[in-house]
Amino acid sequence: KAGVTQTPRYLIKTRGQQVTLSCSPISGHRSVSWYQQTPGQGLQFLFEYFSETQRNKGNFPGRFSGRQFSNSRSEMNVSTLELGDSALYLCASSLASGTSSGNTIYFGEGSWLTVV
Amino acid sequence: ELKVEQNPLFLSMQEGKNYTIYCNYSTTSDRLYWYRQDPGKSLESLFVLLSNGAVKQEGRLMASLDTKARLSTLHITAAVHDLSATYFCAVLKTSGSRLTFGEGTQLTVNP
Repeated sequence: KAGVTQTPRYLIKTRGQQVTLSCSPISGHRSVSWYQQTPGQGLQFLFEYFSETQRNKGNFPGRFSGRQFSNSRSEMNVSTLELGDSALYLCASSLASGTSSGNTIYFGEGSWLTVV
Repeated sequence: ELKVEQNPLFLSMQEGKNYTIYCNYSTTSDRLYWYRQDPGKSLESLFVLLSNGAVKQEGRLMASLDTKARLSTLHITAAVHDLSATYFCAVLKTSGSRLTFGEGTQLTVNP
């Protein structure tokens, strides 16, 4: 079956611009999470959506936002880009949410964002 | 706040040797994940450990979980060059699907 699909894979933006990243989870998966990966900070949780509702939010400024659609596809948006936003943004997909599921959490290939 | 620590952070080993990567976490959790990441690539799921005493093996890798000690190990047996990658452990908070990752262990297996 198809894996987690993220688009675009690579993009370059200028400081002050905004960017929207898209994630299509594995078919049937309802939980989508977003992570930021940088060499200095490692992998950090951004937010999680389940059935179109934000369930958890990480410690990121309000410039970072997201949403989930009825088909479980998710988007994240970063406004007023800063140089420090340059990172690999990873989307994760799982069947359900929480430890009761015991499910594997699958990651997409990521979107490489460079802010210049 | 949940903290996850891995050690070592860098590991250079010879082919054929055995070694263990350790993952400690600070608060109670019953789900621990191990991932592999190759340079420039995404995270590949290796193991999901669901309960105390869980042990899983795949090829030359074996993972275990001790929830009482808040410790997971990833044991590498008879390492081969293809195992060179960065390995992450991650702990799932009891609500939602939020993973807290360790810093990662960069493994290099030399011929």
